[in-house]
Amino acid sequence: GESVGLHLPTLSVQEGDNSIINCAYSNSASDYFIWYKQESGKGPQFIIDIRSNMDKRQGQRVTVLLNKTVKHLSLQIAATQPGDSAVYFCAENMGGATNKLIFGTGTLLAVQP
Amino acid sequence: EAQVTQNPRYLITVTGKKLTVTCSQNMNHEYMSWYRQDPGLGLRQIYYSMNVEVTDKGDVPEGYKVSRKEKRNFPLILESPSPNQTSLYFCASSPWGRSGANVLTFGAGSRLTVL
Repeated sequence: GESVGLHLPTLSVQEGDNSIINCAYSNSASDYFIWYKQESGKGPQFIIDIRSNMDKRQGQRVTVLLNKTVKHLSLQIAATQPGDSAVYFCAENMGGATNKLIFGTGTLLAVQP
Repeated sequence: EAQVTQNPRYLITVTGKKLTVTCSQNMNHEYMSWYRQDPGLGLRQIYYSMNVEVTDKGDVPEGYKVSRKEKRNFPLILESPSPNQTSLYFCASSPWGRSGANVLTFGAGSRLTVL
């Protein structure tokens, strides 16, 4: 697979545990915050997004929390599975005329069996 | 199957030899974009297009060109590649609209090495 995991912060968890991946964002005016998952050798894949007027949103086994006071975003994965091993990117939608997404540098989640 | 297809997946070339990386999507998406991914730097936008014949620079456009003559295709052109363009490239597309733009569909990536 592609070596996108180099130089990345790494979170190592045991299979079945819950994972929490954190992200700090920069722009208070961003409309949406998004999480992407990138498995080895593949392109990033959309997981979940949250609008800036919300502080929590749940999906299937995932929960995103948004704390606008400290500009912090987190992705919680329940009952982590080996298939969750990947690089996770947060992104913010800058809004405006282009809806441009700005991506973070990513966190490598390593699930130990 | 809804997808973004980019080619070639792997390419080794030499400095100065023009190359094109093709990108095609079958989802009728208005928005298309090119990113490069480098270790420690995440995904950086090169160029984007909001619709046919509408393209604009992203954050790292130097040394690249694009065109959007048809809705489905968005090729990336390196007129005179240099070693600092060695990278992993991704094409992506999404529907237009505030929340639609959050859901980018990415291609599988093109690993380019410039010697």
